[in-house]
Amino acid sequence: KQEVTQIPAALSVPEGENLVLNCSFTDSAIYNLQWFRQDPGKGLTSLLLIQSSQREQTSGRLNASLDKSSGRSTLYIAASQPGDSATYLCAVRNSGNTPLVFGKGTRLSVIA
Amino acid sequence: DADVTQTPRNRITKTGKRIMLECSQTKGHDRMYWYRQDPGLGLRLIYYSFDVKDINKGEISDGYSVSRQAQAKFSLSLESAIPNQTALYFCATSDPGRAIEGRSYNEQFFGPGTRLTVL
Repeated sequence: KQEVTQIPAALSVPEGENLVLNCSFTDSAIYNLQWFRQDPGKGLTSLLLIQSSQREQTSGRLNASLDKSSGRSTLYIAASQPGDSATYLCAVRNSGNTPLVFGKGTRLSVIA
Repeated sequence: DADVTQTPRNRITKTGKRIMLECSQTKGHDRMYWYRQDPGLGLRLIYYSFDVKDINKGEISDGYSVSRQAQAKFSLSLESAIPNQTALYFCATSDPGRAIEGRSYNEQFFGPGTRLTVL
């Protein structure tokens, strides 16, 4: 059974810092991996999706990498801003016909 | 951008009442999902549907039922609500056959959520 872990559960950084959020998964035979952002009490916003054949995806200040063999993905946020404060969730899909399996997220606070 | 909408956005009800949460999407996606989110437990899958004739149980389907009325509509029902069903409920969609410009296949999109309180 696929399990997704995100460590740390919470992270606080000063504004302007570059930071890395971690995601690990137990079964490396994945179809794709998706990173989401969630603001308190709100829905999830898709940030980046990496197919199993890809090593990374970039969108603005965000870069997500995937290392299937080690069961790990990282989300890199450059030049963090207070508006980046949110919970970031990682989810993996084992095949094209299975649902996403979610981690519990990392709650990020960027302090001005 | 096309939307995933949920109604109601907030609902307070009493134990034993029947409740229906509705989800509509204009993305043209075949696949739809219902999740609940609880503090400390993360997102848990209740039911999912890969097309109008397909319904699948998730990890916590007991106490819930669903109806896929059309490609664009997926409803979640609580036949007799109980207090431990108090949670934030999310609908989501995905489509394995569609690559939206610049983005990849089988990307999943979420609705804004329904906050349900059962007294």
